[in-house]
Amino acid sequence: SQTIHQWPATLVQPVGSPLSLECTVEGTSNPNLYWYRQAAGRGLQLLFYSVGIGQISSEVPQNLSASRPQDRQFILSSKKLLLSDSGFYLCAWGTGLPNYEQYFGPGTRLTVT
Amino acid sequence: AQTVTQSQPEMSVQEAETVTLSCTYDTSENNYYLFWYKQPPSRQMILVIRQEAYKQQNATENRFSVNFQKAAKSFSLKISDSQLGDTAMYFCAFMKHGGGATNKLIFGTGTLLAVQP
Repeated sequence: SQTIHQWPATLVQPVGSPLSLECTVEGTSNPNLYWYRQAAGRGLQLLFYSVGIGQISSEVPQNLSASRPQDRQFILSSKKLLLSDSGFYLCAWGTGLPNYEQYFGPGTRLTVT
Repeated sequence: AQTVTQSQPEMSVQEAETVTLSCTYDTSENNYYLFWYKQPPSRQMILVIRQEAYKQQNATENRFSVNFQKAAKSFSLKISDSQLGDTAMYFCAFMKHGGGATNKLIFGTGTLLAVQP
């Protein structure tokens, strides 16, 4: 069965510091991968998606970037965090055809101070 | 652009009772997918149920069922025999069919459901 991991689970970082969040998927190959952000009391917003190694598409212009160095690894980064980057970050993998279901990791709670 | 609206910020139900969560959406697409996700206090997003717009039959997964009204653009979730473990935030989500690689999920703002003992 497929499993998706995220770390760290919780992170507190000062403004201006760098960020690296990691997501890995097990049990499937060449998955579509997604980074979402959930602000407090709100739904999820898609930040980035990837259909393969080195292939990244951005949905929202912002202070963040993403990379996919390996087939089942997806990384969310920032060179300098802003207060507005605080939130809950969720990685997901998608089954694609025919059901288009997406399954989420446990998430990372990021607080920028 | 597609939008998803959940007009009930909070709901409460007694254990073993039935509750219905509402969701409406706006789209000009004819073919799409609709989902309900559950987010318990652990904050893990869990897929509850999926509905394909081209299917007239309402989806059912154990105690969870949907009432899909395509013309009205309505997609409600019914939870039967509510259990304490159903306490969670519930999100309705839309995905355009044939969206290519994106397969972007568009989420509503959620309904917080509390199951009372």
